[in-house]
Parts: sequence; C-alpha cells; structure tokens
Amino acid sequence: SAVISQKPSRDICQRGTSLTIQCQVDSQVTMMFWYRQQPGQSLTLIATANQGSEATYESGFVIDKFPISRPNLTFSTLTVSNMSPEDSSIYLCSVDYQPNTEAFFGQGTRLTVV
Amino acid sequence: GIQVEQSPPDLILQEGANSTLRCNFSDSVNNLQWFHQNPWGQLINLFYIPSGTKQNGRLSATTVATERYSLLYISSSQTTDSGVYFCAAFGSGGYNKLIFGAGTRLAVHP
Repeated sequence: SAVISQKPSRDICQRGTSLTIQCQVDSQVTMMFWYRQQPGQSLTLIATANQGSEATYESGFVIDKFPISRPNLTFSTLTVSNMSPEDSSIYLCSVDYQPNTEAFFGQGTRLTVV
Repeated sequence: GIQVEQSPPDLILQEGANSTLRCNFSDSVNNLQWFHQNPWGQLINLFYIPSGTKQNGRLSATTVATERYSLLYISSSQTTDSGVYFCAAFGSGGYNKLIFGAGTRLAVHP
C-alpha cells in the first residue's frame, strides 16, 4: 500500500486566480503523475513529474496553465493558473513505486471555480 | 495508443445481487488495475491484475491477457458498493501512462 497526502482536499476559487495543490508521498518515488477528472468524466493524465527535470505534459495541457514542481523524490505541486469555471474538476496525484506496476492515488482535490 | 473500454456504463442493483463488470483493452498490457471511486471522489485500489484471478472478500477479478479483457465480479452487493468502477492499463511500450476506461457507474439500492 501507499500513503499519499494531497491538499487541499477541496477549494472554491475565484476565476482568474491560481491554486497550488500539494502531493506528499511516504517514500521516495521516481515519477509522480497528475490527473484531472472533469465532472462526470474519467481520469486524464495531465503530466508526469520527474525529480530534477521539467515535467512532461500530455497533449492538450501546457506548462503555462499547469506548472508543476518536483523539488525532491517525495513531493510535488501542481498549480492551476488563471482559473476559469472550465477548470472545475477533481485533480489527483499518483505514484507507482516501481515502473509500470501498481499505481496509487492521493485522495484528490475537488476544485470549484466561480 | 491503447484503448480501454468498459461495460456496462451504468448498472442498478438491488442489495444482495451479483454483478459482472467488463473491461476490454485494445493491445497487450503490462498492468491492469481496477479502482472504485467513492462519492467523495477518492480512488480506491481494488485489484492489480495483469493476468490471472484474484479475490478479496466479495470482490474478485479475472484478466485474460491473451484475449484482452478483464472482469470484475461483485457478489452480494451492498449499498456501500455504489460509486464508479474504473479499469486502467499501461500499454506494453514501457511508458508509465495509465489509460483509464470511461467507468461503470453502479448504484445499489436497499
């Protein structure tokens, strides 16, 4: 099993502002992943965060909108910038302790933009 | 890339009923997982099952990798089983990208 602490668990934000979501893991991992789940939809990978290098973004996601930090092997942040109501989603971080093995998820951040 | 399809999209059960959820994937996979998302949005790991059969209480899962499908069985369903069930897979190309199906939304009524 894994202990992944994600915060905040939920927030309501004004449009045009930014929110930074934190993800803390109980042990060192090489890669951390950020997903978005829009209302009523499945999960979509935003980016992969490697320690010591820039994050790798999936098609449709850009660094200016979703900057990611990975300062060490147990921590990462995702910022949702210049928010609009369309950014209202659940954002989840994920890790797999060994590549391509079982993935574990944080409890998610439920973001509402008004 | 790999495609993951789940069926049925929605399922309504009376408490105590049994059900089978299906996950088809378009290519060979290194990893196949089943998750339960509770009403609070938390994603709970149910099974990590690239192949074979596993059981955990009232839940069991079978993956037939050669035929590219996995099944999740829920027996004697309870209201707490309600939520969305996702299967997800990594492709076999070595890239750590977990692809999710669209999910099966399960409602269990007392």
